[in-house]
Amino acid sequence: GAVVSQHPSWVICKSGTSVKIECRSLDFQATTMFWYRQFPKQSLMLMATSNEGSKATYEQGVEKDKFLINHASLTLSTLTVTSAHPEDSSFYICSARDLGGHQPQHFGDGTRLSIL
Amino acid sequence: GNSVTQMEGPVTLSEEAFLTINCTYTATGYPSLFWYVQYPGEGLQLLLKATKADDKGSNKGFEATYRKETTSFHLEKGSVQVSDSAVYFCVHDKIIFGKGTRLHILP
Repeated sequence: GAVVSQHPSWVICKSGTSVKIECRSLDFQATTMFWYRQFPKQSLMLMATSNEGSKATYEQGVEKDKFLINHASLTLSTLTVTSAHPEDSSFYICSARDLGGHQPQHFGDGTRLSIL
Repeated sequence: GNSVTQMEGPVTLSEEAFLTINCTYTATGYPSLFWYVQYPGEGLQLLLKATKADDKGSNKGFEATYRKETTSFHLEKGSVQVSDSAVYFCVHDKIIFGKGTRLHILP
């Protein structure tokens, strides 16, 4: 079945550094990918919709200058957390859908980000 | 608008008990509906889906029927196991998630 690879799975870094998370669709092309954030014991929160070849669409309250999204190809989207701070520590998950409409999303395994 | 309302957890059951996790939705049009499961320490996995009214999705002993008249997609399992302990999300195809229901199964 369709697979989405997310890398890295875990990252720990110092406050002030920038962290890039990659999301790849391995056996299908994804014109649209989604980035979510999950706080402990809470639901997923959609951060942004990543569109291949165009600017991402951010949800209300998500800082686009803080969370940079690039979707340069049909199989790769990246999320860069710029100048990360402890409050950015969270579990970030990407997903992709290989066809529009009623197809399910395929999720990456997530990235646990810890900012010291 | 589009929304998903899911029963609050945590839900704690004994092994072999019957499980129901309620989910209702609002939608413009007729969305596809999904249940995803997140096991401890893992990412999300698709559990089952239904794409139109009266469809029944099923997988691993879980079932959910898409009921247009009650705008519901309740998740059921006749006999739960300890390995079913996880967080379950009801999801609308407009990428709207319910808040998740944490399920604990006691041996």
